Amino acid sequence: QKEVEQNSGPLSVPEGAIASLNCTYSDRGSQSFFWYRQYSGKSPELIMSIYSNGDKEDGRFTAQLNKASQYVSLLIRDSQPSDSATYLCAVNAFAGNKLTFGGGTRVLVKP
Amino acid sequence: GAVVSQHPSWVICKSGTSVKIECRSLDFQATTMFWYRQFPKQSLMLMATSNEGSKATYEQGVEKDKFLINHASLTLSTLTVTSAHPEDSSFYICSAREGGPSYEQYFGPGTRLTVT
Repeated sequence: QKEVEQNSGPLSVPEGAIASLNCTYSDRGSQSFFWYRQYSGKSPELIMSIYSNGDKEDGRFTAQLNKASQYVSLLIRDSQPSDSATYLCAVNAFAGNKLTFGGGTRVLVKP
Repeated sequence: GAVVSQHPSWVICKSGTSVKIECRSLDFQATTMFWYRQFPKQSLMLMATSNEGSKATYEQGVEKDKFLINHASLTLSTLTVTSAHPEDSSFYICSAREGGPSYEQYFGPGTRLTVT
């Protein structure tokens, strides 16, 4: 079982709609959770961090964390073609010093 | 967010030569830096973690004598690929963090290495 799991996609979303991405993790003691966006051929870019249960909003992005169910999600509102990328979920375990990444979800926003 | 730079952005070298890649945190002091490798259409693979002034911790399967990491200051880490071979051709990306595990980790733009 992978430590951090994401649906590989592609998740196809019409322009202006909401894209919903999910991520589950296996280490119940995980403390820090991050979402990165990676365009093809580029390095990952941090878009959200979340540490406590609930929602965190930043512009068109909302991260949701549920530690009891061991999942973290990302909502992208008013999706734009420029949001087309691979979104990586990353988790820092309680006793760890490094991030564990999911395989990424590829998002395609169609005009 | 914080800025991390890498140099060079791309490099072509001949088989058997060594290549050094620099990673700098430009507007913060990075207590921990990480080096990743990514092959086309594959996930990020962590190669090693380095703390300033300490020896790097390598992931299982990564040859520490081939991939030399030096984290000499709080703003600079280097990765040297020694005796490079075509199979070392990849996208090498560094990242940096200002504090402990709860701190955000920022990635550099990456270095594309091609070994001929």
